[in-house]
Amino acid sequence: TQLLEQSPQFLSIQEGENLTVYCNSSSVFSSLQWYRQEPGEGPVLLVTVVTGGEVKKLKRLTFQFGDARKDSSLHITAAQPGDTGLYLCAGAFEYNFNKFYFGSGTKLNVKP
Amino acid sequence: EAQVTQNPRYLITVTGKKLTVTCSQNMNHEYMSWYRQDPGLGLRQIYYSMNVEVTDKGDVPEGYKVSRKEKRNFPLILESPSPNQTSLYFCASEGPYEQYFGPGTRLTVT
Repeated sequence: TQLLEQSPQFLSIQEGENLTVYCNSSSVFSSLQWYRQEPGEGPVLLVTVVTGGEVKKLKRLTFQFGDARKDSSLHITAAQPGDTGLYLCAGAFEYNFNKFYFGSGTKLNVKP
Repeated sequence: EAQVTQNPRYLITVTGKKLTVTCSQNMNHEYMSWYRQDPGLGLRQIYYSMNVEVTDKGDVPEGYKVSRKEKRNFPLILESPSPNQTSLYFCASEGPYEQYFGPGTRLTVT
């Protein structure tokens, strides 16, 4: 059983559509991160959120940390083929903020 | 440029033949980790190190060893590899609230 559950596992959409990916847990995290991973490469950090209710924007990507710090979402507006990849969330606890627990990921395919 | 390097990138080996995967970072980070990534299971931490000569088990340490003799290097050692260790391995170097990952090592044990 994983601490962080991501949904959906797979998502295939057309260019221009909007989408939301979810990362849920029953545990309270001190911080939560989102990564994007392309085939054959290591994950690349997109954002870190640390405050309950926090919203961060990165161009067309909007990240939200739940008020209770148990869940997070990633919303992409007007998806592009370049957004294709595996999106991973990872959480860390206050007592060991260097140890990260990863969700199993959401595989996104954006068709032109 | 912040960088984590791993070698080799690809390795095919046979059961029982000892191997080492090297990892090096240039960010002067104290904290480094090794992960394995398997389909449907995500990234699972194998071992981590909080500083030179300080290492500890992660979530799936069986069959692996690590050492941290210098701050920049954190090699992963498989003394007697088995087929269930076939996986994609990532080294990570960590600062507060962020991690930088290496490019990965795809290991196949036959």
